[in-house]
Amino acid sequence: QVQLQESGPGLVKPSETLSLTCSVSGGSISSHYWSWIRQPPGKGLEWIGYMYYTGTTNYNPSLKSRVTISFDTSRTQFSLKLTSVTPADTAVYFCARQHCSGGSCYYGTWFDPWGQGTLVTVSS
Amino acid sequence: SYELTQPPSVSVSPGQTASIICSGDKLGDRYASWYQQRPGQSPVLVIYQDNKRPSGIPERFSGSNSGNTATLTISGTQAMDEADYYCQAWDSSTVVFGGGTKLTVL
Repeated sequence: QVQLQESGPGLVKPSETLSLTCSVSGGSISSHYWSWIRQPPGKGLEWIGYMYYTGTTNYNPSLKSRVTISFDTSRTQFSLKLTSVTPADTAVYFCARQHCSGGSCYYGTWFDPWGQGTLVTVSS
Repeated sequence: SYELTQPPSVSVSPGQTASIICSGDKLGDRYASWYQQRPGQSPVLVIYQDNKRPSGIPERFSGSNSGNTATLTISGTQAMDEADYYCQAWDSSTVVFGGGTKLTVL
């Protein structure tokens, strides 16, 4: 059974780059989409973007200019980089496996499983 | 941009049926998914592609989607079902989440 685990600094200074890693165990990165989702304290969920196992990426337009999602060379981890952070980027960051039916998210897309999440606070 | 709207809160008595709605323009033309999030925990998928239940999700959870509204129905609601519930859909190559509904079982 696939399990995901986020890791990275819990505190980032404003204007710096937030960097997180998601470790994938119990399964292969191949044939799936791998996503990042965040949740500000006390608020709802916001999709950040995904990387397909082929390397194709797709980002939330509201964050696109600041986001990069990539695989590591071993392809057992994928990472998130968010540049020029502000306190508004303070959130619990989740990684998740994204499913797209029939190879197209238009026919249905959902997230399962999710990592446990990691809180990142942006503050000086 | 596409929006999904959920009521902030829904209350239900134990053993009764809870219905949580999610509204969006022509939502019935898309596929909806639902997640349960208990306090301090990660979201858990409870319904995908409108009405499919993942393995391990109790049969009391069901979903439907038509017109502008998707509905998550919990039959015979139990105290353990008290949580936040989020709907989600796909629009213009982007994932959209509803704002979430807090289900209280009193």
